[in-house]
Amino acid sequence: DTAVSQTPKYLVTQMGNDKSIKCEQNLGHDTMYWYKQDSKKFLKIMFSYNNKELIINETVPNRFSPKSPDKAHLNLHINSLELGDSAVYFCASSQALGFDEQFFGPGTRLTVL
Amino acid sequence: AQRVTQPEKLLSVFKGAPVELKCNYSYSGSPELFWYVQYSRQRLQLLLRHISRESIKGFTADLNKGETSFHLKKPFAQEEDSAMYYCALSGGNQGGKLIFGQGTELSVKP
Repeated sequence: DTAVSQTPKYLVTQMGNDKSIKCEQNLGHDTMYWYKQDSKKFLKIMFSYNNKELIINETVPNRFSPKSPDKAHLNLHINSLELGDSAVYFCASSQALGFDEQFFGPGTRLTVL
Repeated sequence: AQRVTQPEKLLSVFKGAPVELKCNYSYSGSPELFWYVQYSRQRLQLLLRHISRESIKGFTADLNKGETSFHLKKPFAQEEDSAMYYCALSGGNQGGKLIFGQGTELSVKP
């Protein structure tokens, strides 16, 4: 009965590879997000989607491509991975756009070697 | 510029002592302010938001628009309060994104 789930929890890969992180929410929310947490624990928005429509793309390199097949899923695909992509990636969801509380997934720790 | 600043990276107190985690923000408009908490090995979760004016786990936070601050306070810290605390703001009309501060790690010693 996990509200927001992410897979995998850990991802270790080589530079130049392509990888995906999956996110699913079973809360019936309309809005989903991806955040990146760097090595200094700073959290920064990357994308938000509302009803499968891209709302925010926060100056993220186009190597990062989110995909929302339906309202309950928001996957993150990363091409040509670089060392600087190493971080913890958090998925979140909220009832709607605006001031709603956001519910976070457990995070995916990506390490690029 | 929209920004949230938490000046203390680490705050260490003894059990029973008062706690204040500082948060200042910069935003041209009327944002909603939040405190999120991440306990060890748990996911980030909402602690409180200024609009609800609730006290959660003994924590309170008052929005001071004049000083653009939203400091988190608790009169008597408990060991289980040890966690990472993030202050965040939402502009409402900005795609729902949360702008986070750098986070403050609170350590409550016995």
